[in-house]
Amino acid sequence: GAVVSQHPSWVICKSGTSVKIECRSLDFQATTMFWYRQFPKQSLMLMATSNEGSKATYEQGVEKDKFLINHASLTLSTLTVTSAHPEDSSFYICSATRDNLNTEAFFGQGTRLTVV
Amino acid sequence: GQNIDQPTEMTATEGAIVQINCTYQTSGFNGLFWYQQHAGEAPTFLSYNVLDGLEEKGRFSSFLSRSKGYSYLLLKELQMKDSASYLCAPISGGYNKLIFGAGTRLAVHP
Repeated sequence: GAVVSQHPSWVICKSGTSVKIECRSLDFQATTMFWYRQFPKQSLMLMATSNEGSKATYEQGVEKDKFLINHASLTLSTLTVTSAHPEDSSFYICSATRDNLNTEAFFGQGTRLTVV
Repeated sequence: GQNIDQPTEMTATEGAIVQINCTYQTSGFNGLFWYQQHAGEAPTFLSYNVLDGLEEKGRFSSFLSRSKGYSYLLLKELQMKDSASYLCAPISGGYNKLIFGAGTRLAVHP
Protein backbone atom coordinates (compact mmCIF):
# COMPACT_ATOMS: atom_id res chain seq x y z
CA GLY A 1 0.00 0.00 0.00
CA ALA A 2 0.90 3.65 -0.24
CA VAL A 3 2.80 5.41 2.53
CA VAL A 4 1.70 8.51 4.37
CA SER A 5 4.19 9.97 6.79
CA GLN A 6 3.14 12.26 9.61
CA HIS A 7 5.55 14.30 11.68
CA PRO A 8 6.09 14.69 14.56
CA SER A 9 4.78 11.52 16.20
CA TRP A 10 4.38 13.32 19.47
CA VAL A 11 4.85 16.87 20.72
CA ILE A 12 4.54 18.66 24.03
CA CYS A 13 4.05 22.40 23.94
CA LYS A 14 3.26 25.21 26.31
CA SER A 15 -0.17 26.75 26.44
CA GLY A 16 -0.43 29.70 24.07
CA THR A 17 2.15 28.48 21.58
CA SER A 18 1.54 27.12 18.10
CA VAL A 19 2.35 23.66 16.79
CA LYS A 20 2.71 22.55 13.19
CA ILE A 21 2.02 18.98 12.09
CA GLU A 22 3.09 17.75 8.67
CA CYS A 23 1.46 15.07 6.55
CA ARG A 24 3.31 13.76 3.51
CA SER A 25 2.37 11.21 0.90
CA LEU A 26 5.69 9.56 0.13
CA ASP A 27 5.04 7.55 -3.01
CA PHE A 28 1.93 9.04 -4.55
CA GLN A 29 0.33 12.38 -5.23
CA ALA A 30 -2.59 13.18 -2.98
CA THR A 31 -5.02 15.68 -4.39
CA THR A 32 -6.98 15.53 -1.18
CA MET A 33 -5.91 15.03 2.39
CA PHE A 34 -8.04 14.83 5.50
CA TRP A 35 -7.33 15.84 9.07
CA TYR A 36 -8.89 14.03 12.00
CA ARG A 37 -8.78 14.43 15.75
CA GLN A 38 -9.28 11.61 18.20
CA PHE A 39 -9.80 11.88 21.94
CA PRO A 40 -9.15 8.86 24.17
CA LYS A 41 -11.58 6.01 23.61
CA GLN A 42 -13.46 7.99 21.01
CA SER A 43 -13.60 7.67 17.25
CA LEU A 44 -11.86 9.82 14.70
CA MET A 45 -13.63 13.10 14.14
CA LEU A 46 -13.10 14.72 10.77
CA MET A 47 -11.82 18.26 11.16
CA ALA A 48 -11.26 19.37 7.60
CA THR A 49 -10.71 18.38 4.01
CA SER A 50 -7.55 19.76 2.48
CA ASN A 51 -7.32 20.27 -1.27
CA GLU A 52 -4.07 21.14 -2.99
CA GLY A 53 -3.93 24.74 -4.02
CA SER A 54 -7.19 25.81 -2.45
CA LYS A 55 -8.65 26.62 0.93
CA ALA A 56 -9.50 23.78 3.25
CA THR A 57 -13.10 22.85 3.93
CA TYR A 58 -13.78 22.69 7.65
CA GLU A 59 -16.38 20.58 9.38
CA GLN A 60 -19.03 22.26 11.46
CA GLY A 61 -17.74 23.33 14.84
CA VAL A 62 -14.06 23.38 13.86
CA GLU A 63 -12.46 26.81 14.16
CA LYS A 64 -10.59 27.52 10.96
CA ASP A 65 -8.63 30.37 12.54
CA LYS A 66 -7.38 28.06 15.26
CA PHE A 67 -6.59 25.05 13.09
CA LEU A 68 -4.77 26.39 10.05
CA ILE A 69 -4.44 23.99 7.16
CA ASN A 70 -2.13 24.49 4.21
CA HIS A 71 -1.91 22.12 1.26
CA ALA A 72 0.92 23.64 -0.71
CA SER A 73 1.77 20.67 -2.88
CA LEU A 74 0.37 17.32 -3.99
CA THR A 75 2.46 15.55 -1.36
CA LEU A 76 2.29 17.84 1.66
CA SER A 77 -0.42 19.19 3.91
CA THR A 78 0.19 20.91 7.23
CA LEU A 79 -2.02 21.50 10.22
CA THR A 80 -1.07 24.30 12.61
CA VAL A 81 -2.73 24.42 15.99
CA THR A 82 -2.53 28.08 16.96
CA SER A 83 -2.54 29.39 20.51
CA ALA A 84 -2.83 25.87 21.84
CA HIS A 85 -4.66 25.18 25.08
CA PRO A 86 -4.77 22.05 27.23
CA GLU A 87 -8.15 21.11 25.76
CA ASP A 88 -6.46 20.85 22.35
CA SER A 89 -4.44 17.91 23.65
CA SER A 90 -5.45 15.03 21.42
CA PHE A 91 -4.34 12.55 18.77
CA TYR A 92 -4.26 14.25 15.37
CA ILE A 93 -4.13 12.06 12.31
CA CYS A 94 -4.14 12.71 8.59
CA SER A 95 -5.17 10.59 5.66
CA ALA A 96 -4.70 10.83 1.92
CA THR A 97 -6.18 9.21 -1.13
CA ARG A 98 -4.64 8.61 -4.53
CA ASP A 99 -7.65 9.92 -6.36
CA ASN A 100 -11.28 10.88 -5.92
CA LEU A 101 -12.66 7.52 -7.01
CA ASN A 102 -13.62 6.17 -3.59
CA THR A 103 -10.41 4.27 -3.13
CA GLU A 104 -8.71 3.32 0.08
CA ALA A 105 -7.54 6.11 2.36
CA PHE A 106 -4.01 5.81 3.72
CA PHE A 107 -3.37 7.14 7.18
CA GLY A 108 -0.36 8.77 8.73
CA GLN A 109 0.86 7.36 12.01
CA GLY A 110 -0.72 10.19 13.97
CA THR A 111 0.60 12.93 16.23
CA ARG A 112 0.03 12.91 19.96
CA LEU A 113 -0.22 16.55 21.06
CA THR A 114 0.01 17.43 24.74
CA VAL A 115 -0.45 21.05 25.75
CA VAL A 116 0.80 21.89 29.23
CA GLY B 1 -25.94 14.97 7.89
CA GLN B 2 -24.79 11.52 8.84
CA ASN B 3 -25.70 9.02 11.49
CA ILE B 4 -23.59 5.91 12.07
CA ASP B 5 -24.42 3.34 14.71
CA GLN B 6 -22.21 0.51 15.96
CA PRO B 7 -22.11 -1.44 19.22
CA THR B 8 -19.69 0.19 21.63
CA GLU B 9 -18.03 -2.95 22.92
CA MET B 10 -17.96 -6.66 22.17
CA THR B 11 -16.13 -9.61 23.63
CA ALA B 12 -15.34 -12.94 22.04
CA THR B 13 -13.26 -16.04 22.55
CA GLU B 14 -10.10 -16.90 20.68
CA GLY B 15 -10.92 -19.11 17.70
CA ALA B 16 -14.55 -18.02 17.55
CA ILE B 17 -16.46 -15.94 14.99
CA VAL B 18 -17.77 -12.45 15.69
CA GLN B 19 -20.01 -10.16 13.66
CA ILE B 20 -19.86 -6.41 14.12
CA ASN B 21 -22.89 -4.57 12.80
CA CYS B 22 -23.11 -1.04 11.49
CA THR B 23 -26.15 0.94 10.43
CA TYR B 24 -25.83 4.26 8.73
CA GLN B 25 -27.75 7.13 7.27
CA THR B 26 -25.82 9.31 4.88
CA SER B 27 -26.44 11.63 1.99
CA GLY B 28 -24.74 10.77 -1.27
CA PHE B 29 -23.59 7.27 -0.35
CA ASN B 30 -20.57 6.14 -2.37
CA GLY B 31 -19.45 3.06 -0.52
CA LEU B 32 -18.44 1.87 2.94
CA PHE B 33 -15.08 1.08 4.50
CA TRP B 34 -14.12 -0.94 7.53
CA TYR B 35 -10.91 -0.07 9.35
CA GLN B 36 -9.13 -1.64 12.29
CA GLN B 37 -7.44 0.56 14.87
CA HIS B 38 -5.24 -0.52 17.74
CA ALA B 39 -4.96 1.93 20.62
CA GLY B 40 -2.60 4.79 19.84
CA GLU B 41 -2.06 3.69 16.27
CA ALA B 42 -3.34 4.71 12.86
CA PRO B 43 -6.33 2.90 11.36
CA THR B 44 -5.55 0.15 8.88
CA PHE B 45 -7.75 -0.75 5.95
CA LEU B 46 -9.80 -3.94 6.16
CA SER B 47 -12.45 -3.83 3.47
CA TYR B 48 -14.49 -1.75 1.06
CA ASN B 49 -18.03 -2.40 -0.18
CA VAL B 50 -19.77 -0.40 -2.83
CA LEU B 51 -22.28 -2.97 -4.11
CA ASP B 52 -24.67 -5.12 -2.11
CA GLY B 53 -23.35 -8.45 -0.98
CA LEU B 54 -20.47 -10.10 0.76
CA GLU B 55 -16.79 -9.35 0.21
CA GLU B 56 -14.45 -11.97 1.59
CA LYS B 57 -10.78 -11.45 2.35
CA GLY B 58 -9.14 -14.17 4.36
CA ARG B 59 -10.43 -14.22 7.91
CA PHE B 60 -12.37 -11.01 7.37
CA SER B 61 -15.58 -10.57 5.41
CA SER B 62 -17.79 -7.54 5.01
CA PHE B 63 -21.40 -7.33 3.93
CA LEU B 64 -23.40 -4.41 2.62
CA SER B 65 -27.08 -3.75 2.05
CA ARG B 66 -27.53 -0.29 0.59
CA SER B 67 -31.31 -0.36 0.75
CA LYS B 68 -31.21 -1.11 4.47
CA GLY B 69 -28.28 1.16 5.27
CA TYR B 70 -26.60 -1.80 6.91
CA SER B 71 -23.20 -3.41 6.90
CA TYR B 72 -21.40 -5.96 9.00
CA LEU B 73 -17.83 -7.09 9.48
CA LEU B 74 -17.33 -10.79 10.12
CA LEU B 75 -14.14 -11.98 11.78
CA LYS B 76 -13.39 -15.69 11.76
CA GLU B 77 -10.87 -17.76 13.70
CA LEU B 78 -10.35 -14.94 16.13
CA GLN B 79 -6.86 -14.31 17.40
CA MET B 80 -5.72 -12.32 20.40
CA LYS B 81 -4.21 -9.71 18.08
CA ASP B 82 -7.70 -8.99 16.73
CA SER B 83 -8.44 -7.13 19.96
CA ALA B 84 -8.87 -3.60 18.61
CA SER B 85 -11.44 -1.03 17.62
CA TYR B 86 -13.30 -1.59 14.39
CA LEU B 87 -14.49 1.49 12.58
CA CYS B 88 -17.34 1.63 10.10
CA ALA B 89 -16.94 4.49 7.64
CA PRO B 90 -19.37 5.28 4.84
CA ILE B 91 -18.16 7.60 2.14
CA SER B 92 -20.21 10.73 1.90
CA GLY B 93 -20.22 13.09 -1.01
CA GLY B 94 -17.10 13.66 -3.02
CA TYR B 95 -13.37 13.58 -2.34
CA ASN B 96 -13.54 10.21 -0.56
CA LYS B 97 -14.67 11.94 2.61
CA LEU B 98 -14.69 9.27 5.31
CA ILE B 99 -16.90 9.85 8.31
CA PHE B 100 -16.25 7.36 11.06
CA GLY B 101 -18.68 5.81 13.46
CA ALA B 102 -17.80 5.65 17.15
CA GLY B 103 -16.18 2.30 16.57
CA THR B 104 -16.61 -1.05 18.26
CA ARG B 105 -13.98 -2.11 20.78
CA LEU B 106 -13.50 -5.84 20.46
CA ALA B 107 -11.81 -7.80 23.26
CA VAL B 108 -10.68 -11.33 22.40
CA HIS B 109 -10.16 -13.62 25.38
CA PRO B 110 -8.28 -16.94 25.54
